[in-house]
Amino acid sequence: ETGVTQSPTHLIKTRGQQVTLRCSSQSGHNTVSWYQQALGQGPQFIFQYYREEENGRGNFPPRFSGLQFPNYSSELNVNALELDDSALYLCASSLVPSSYNEQFFGPGTRLTVL
Amino acid sequence: AQSVTQLDSQVPVFEEAPVELRCNYSSSVSVYLFWYVQYPNQGLQLLLKYLSGSTLVKGINGFEAEFNKSQTSFHLRKPSVHISDTAEYFCAVTGFGNEKLTFGTGTRLTIIP
Repeated sequence: ETGVTQSPTHLIKTRGQQVTLRCSSQSGHNTVSWYQQALGQGPQFIFQYYREEENGRGNFPPRFSGLQFPNYSSELNVNALELDDSALYLCASSLVPSSYNEQFFGPGTRLTVL
Repeated sequence: AQSVTQLDSQVPVFEEAPVELRCNYSSSVSVYLFWYVQYPNQGLQLLLKYLSGSTLVKGINGFEAEFNKSQTSFHLRKPSVHISDTAEYFCAVTGFGNEKLTFGTGTRLTIIP
């Protein structure tokens, strides 16, 4: 059974650029959630995708957007990057979107915005 | 809406000593509670979770936690820690019908040989 994978591992961008992060969910999981973890902080919920539709969103501006594909993999897109977007971005997958279902996390993508 | 408070940002403990990592939550609805561990340069791994039933929950690696509704707490304990327990520990909460996990700011557990 393959776990959650994310690419790339690290990324360096400059302010104003756009970035796409990718996530492959665990086999059999149809729900993907994205979290932002700033240095020294806990993860913060960005949004969740279930069967290719957004299924909830946290307090992040519209320049954070996402996609989920028919194979349940997902992308996180961030436009007009700001310095404060520097963080570890975590993807998590679960069997279904129920709140009590365990979320399995990937290793994350470390984004640095200069 | 839910929130989580982890009062201790860092906890140093001698090897083979017991440890308790504190977590308090607030919520207007019934809660589900989780503890995750994050090893350096890795993602989060679930240690244990409380959904309902017995208030004492046992998890992996010898950890356990007790749900206390009156004190709105979900403290994590281990009777004897090992060097390999060095990591960041996050308490998280969600509520029925809520799709997102709300995390605390984490507690860094350092084991002293």
